[in-house]
Amino acid sequence: GQNIDQPTEMTATEGAIVQINCTYQTSGFNGLFWYQQHAGEAPTFLSYNVLDGLEEKGRFSSFLSRSKGYSYLLLKELQMKDSASYLCAVRENSGAGSYQLTFGKGTKLSVIP
Amino acid sequence: DTEVTQTPKHLVMGMTNKKSLKCEQHMGHRAMYWYKQKAKKPPELMFVYSYEKLSINESVPSRFSPECPNSSLLNLHLHALQPEDSALYLCASSQAWGTSGSDTQYFGPGTRLTVL
Repeated sequence: GQNIDQPTEMTATEGAIVQINCTYQTSGFNGLFWYQQHAGEAPTFLSYNVLDGLEEKGRFSSFLSRSKGYSYLLLKELQMKDSASYLCAVRENSGAGSYQLTFGKGTKLSVIP
Repeated sequence: DTEVTQTPKHLVMGMTNKKSLKCEQHMGHRAMYWYKQKAKKPPELMFVYSYEKLSINESVPSRFSPECPNSSLLNLHLHALQPEDSALYLCASSQAWGTSGSDTQYFGPGTRLTVL
């Protein structure tokens, strides 16, 4: 099993930078994903980290420290459309050559003018 | 093309009905998933199919019966559901386990199910 923690809600201003943290505890870590989910819609993939360090994709960056069980998602130049829930998900080896993805409870980000 | 399609978009059913949810992808993915998501909660994994075989069943009640007729299709058969089963049911697909790369899961738009 695993324990994934992320803040419940965050508010940031349009044009600013926001960092959403995620901590996890798992016995068979095999990657960490960030998804964006707008209300009533399916999650969409944002980023993936399996090695320590920073992955940058346009306005979004994600960082991973496996030794600390810690990741963050960095959103730059915030836009109103970035208002959504951001889900941290940890992939864990579940044995017999398979894995499963477990989601944190999500961080609801509100971008204000 | 990174599209996963699901039908129907909305479904209302009584507790005695039998219905099916359908999911389709044409990305050549050999792993497909069913998730259940209640309002303001994260998705919860229900089933995983790998190479058309059921690999994970997260202790889901037997009133939910998955089926993977081929590598592009995934069904979820519903029978004798309870009102508490009302939720958004999400299908996802990814490259099969053991392949290189991120094995990113791509989600369909979901079926919003209401059980009366």
